[in-house]
Amino acid sequence: NAGVTQTPKFQVLKTGQSMTLQCAQDMNHEYMSWYRQDPGMGLRLIHYSVGAGITDQGEVPNGYNVSRSTTEDFPLRLLSAAPSQTSVYFCASSYSSKVGVRTGELFFGEGSRLTVL
Amino acid sequence: EDQVTQSPEALRLQEGESSSLNCSYTVSGLRGLFWYRQDPGKGPEFLFTLYSAGEEKEKERLKATLTKKESFLHITAPKPEDSATYLCAASYNTDKLIFGTGTRLQVFP
Repeated sequence: NAGVTQTPKFQVLKTGQSMTLQCAQDMNHEYMSWYRQDPGMGLRLIHYSVGAGITDQGEVPNGYNVSRSTTEDFPLRLLSAAPSQTSVYFCASSYSSKVGVRTGELFFGEGSRLTVL
Repeated sequence: EDQVTQSPEALRLQEGESSSLNCSYTVSGLRGLFWYRQDPGKGPEFLFTLYSAGEEKEKERLKATLTKKESFLHITAPKPEDSATYLCAASYNTDKLIFGTGTRLQVFP
């Protein structure tokens, strides 16, 4: 099993450009999520999904879009990149859609480091 | 506002010098408290889940405990390979985890 795979690992964008961060998991997990990690701010939830066709907003959703057409994939789209979106992005999944009460165990990818100039 | 606060921000220990990391959380409505380890350039890795005050979990040199106000991660006789950032997270509903900013632990031989 590959676990949670994120691509690309590194990306540099110019302000106003759009791009998609890819996330795929091969564990048949119901729950998938995107976090961003910034120095001094910790991990902040952007969007999450409790199953195919279902998505919801987290703490910092503005400027980002997600969709979940399959169980395996959960891409994160940056609509018009801004320097404030420079960060390390992590995709995480869990076998339970009720991750907060059933397990708390999230499986994280290796991260995608994004720089917006 | 639900939040999680970790202290200290950084901790330097000599190999074998035991210590504790602290995680305090908003008390009302806590559903679960979780600990993760993160190595540089990697994603966090799950360590423990705690659900009720008085609960304890152990793994090798690590022991996590939970009270009504806070959680502790006790590190007994640490080794250099225990060096990492330790994150705690709390859940107040079924589908979201709120993370603290972490404690960066360095263990020197």
